Amino acid sequence: GAGVSQSPSNKVTEKGKDVELRCDPISGHTALYWYRQSLGQGLEFLIYFQGNSAPDKSGLPSDRFSAERTGESVSTLTIQRTQQEDSAVYLCASSAQATYNEQFFGPGTRLTVL
Amino acid sequence: RKEVEQDPGPFNVPEGATVAFNCTYSNSASQSFFWYRQDCRKEPKLLMSVYSSGNEDGRFTAQLNRASQYISLLIRDSKLSDSATYLCVVNLPAGNKLTFGGGTRVLVKP
Repeated sequence: GAGVSQSPSNKVTEKGKDVELRCDPISGHTALYWYRQSLGQGLEFLIYFQGNSAPDKSGLPSDRFSAERTGESVSTLTIQRTQQEDSAVYLCASSAQATYNEQFFGPGTRLTVL
Repeated sequence: RKEVEQDPGPFNVPEGATVAFNCTYSNSASQSFFWYRQDCRKEPKLLMSVYSSGNEDGRFTAQLNRASQYISLLIRDSKLSDSATYLCVVNLPAGNKLTFGGGTRVLVKP
């Protein structure tokens, strides 16, 4: 079956522009996570959606970052007024429920802010 | 102190040798533990879950030490294809989300 998909795979933007990243989780997965990973670094948690509960936004680095999820389907991560330090790979993962099940990762979106 | 800590390495391992490394976690209430593998410029993929009694999957053995709050991964008879970054993942009850360690890089050399 289809895995987690993300689009675009690569995004180059100019400093100050807004960008929107998309994640399509595995069908039926109630939990969805966004992470970012800078070159050579570990995964940085950004935000977590679980079913209809309020999302855990504790990892968002600034108010320029926001994310939405429509029901238990697609999610978008928006970065407003991008800065060079936002350059990273943004990874989305989904799991069947909460934290007791394997997270399946998408291939990521590589964001470069010039 | 970080919630989940790992030695970043790299661990340089001769082909055929055994390598082991740990991951410490700070929250004693954590209940779920996993090892993920991440190849260069690829997404992480689940390697194995870690059970209280310890578990083995082929050449890989994972163990949990609740008293000292760490999990371990041991790789026997290392293959060149084992070269990767190994990520420790722990659930933190507060917020009920998984937290990743920074990863341990393993390089298996001929």
